[in-house]
Parts: sequence; structure tokens; C-alpha cells
Amino acid sequence: KQEVTQIPAALSVPEGENLVLNCSFTDSAIYNLQWFRQDPGKGLTSLLLIQSSQREQTSGRLNASLDKSSGRSTLYIAASQPGDSATYLCASGGSNYKLTFGKGTLLTVNP
Amino acid sequence: ETGVTQTPRHLVMGMTNKKSLKCEQHLGHNAMYWYKQSAKKPLELMFVYSLEERVENNSVPSRFSPECPNSSHLFLHLHTLQPEDSALYLCASSQDQGVEETQYFGPGTRLLVL
Repeated sequence: KQEVTQIPAALSVPEGENLVLNCSFTDSAIYNLQWFRQDPGKGLTSLLLIQSSQREQTSGRLNASLDKSSGRSTLYIAASQPGDSATYLCASGGSNYKLTFGKGTLLTVNP
Repeated sequence: ETGVTQTPRHLVMGMTNKKSLKCEQHLGHNAMYWYKQSAKKPLELMFVYSLEERVENNSVPSRFSPECPNSSHLFLHLHTLQPEDSALYLCASSQDQGVEETQYFGPGTRLLVL
């Protein structure tokens, strides 16, 4: 059974800092790895999706990498802003439609 | 606005009540999902519907009963719930059923069972 772990559980940084969020998964036989953002009291917003054949994806200040062999993915946020404050979730895509989620990292960017 | 709406946004119910959660997607998608998000636990997939047919029941207790009358609407009927069922219930949709498909989430219904 796939298990997804996110470290750290919470992170607080000053505005402007570059930061890395970590995600690890136990079963490397994944179809893809997705990163989501969740604002308080709201649903999830998809940020980046990395296919199993890819190594990384970029969108604006966000860069996600995937290393299937080691069972790891990272989300790099450049020049963080207070508006980046949210919970970031990673999810591995298994057979068919199933996503297995981590518990998330609560990010606070202080002005 | 993601195009997926959920009502109500908040719900308090007793263990003997019967209530329903509603989800509506305005994206023309063919697949819809119910997830449960409990405090300090990962999101758990509950049900999946594709073209109005249930394709997954992820070992969910029978006190949760889903209904998908058409591809735009998804309900979760609740009866005789337990306090541990208190959670955020999220609905999502995707163009088709498939792990490569981006899922679009609604804002969720915060449920408290007393």
C-alpha cells in the first residue's frame, strides 16, 4: 500500500526566501506525482503534475522535481511571498484514478 | 472559482439525523469524486463516479451513501453518523477517470457530528 510522507509538517519563513518542501513515497511504481495547494477553508488547487517519465515541471516561481528511484519529490518555491502561505499537499498517482495524498506542509511566509 | 461548488459549506448534525451533501460541477467533466479530509490525516478517497456509474467504493461504511443522478451532480447522503465522521468532505471532478487527469476540487463541506 502506497504511503506518502511530507516533511516538514509546518514551515515558517521570511518573505523573499527560497524554500523547499519535501515529499516521499514508498512505492516507486507511480504514474505521476502532483502538488496541490490548499488555502484555509477551501478546496485544493492543482499546482504541478509530473509524469513518471519526467524529472521536473516548472510554473512561474514553482519548480517540482521527481526522483522515482529514490521515492522523492520536492517543490521549490523561489522568492516566497505572503500570498504563498497555505498548505501544500503532494499526491502520488497510482493505477487508474487513485491519488494517495500526504498530510501536507503548512507554509507561513511572514512579511 | 474552480467550477465545482458544494453545499452546504458547514453542517452540524446529530448522530440520528439524515442529511445530504451536494456537489455540482460546471466544467463538463465525466468523472466525480468524494474525498474525506480529517484533522491530521491525509485525504482519503471515498467514492468515484465515471459517466454516472460508481467505479470505486473505497471501503466506506454504509452510513455514507453516494448518488450521481447525472454527470454534473453528485450527492453524499448521510445517516446515523458517528462523531469520528466529523471532517471536511471534498468533492472533485476531472474530464475523465484517469490518474493523469487534473482533478478540480470544490471548497468542501465542513461536517460536525455531535
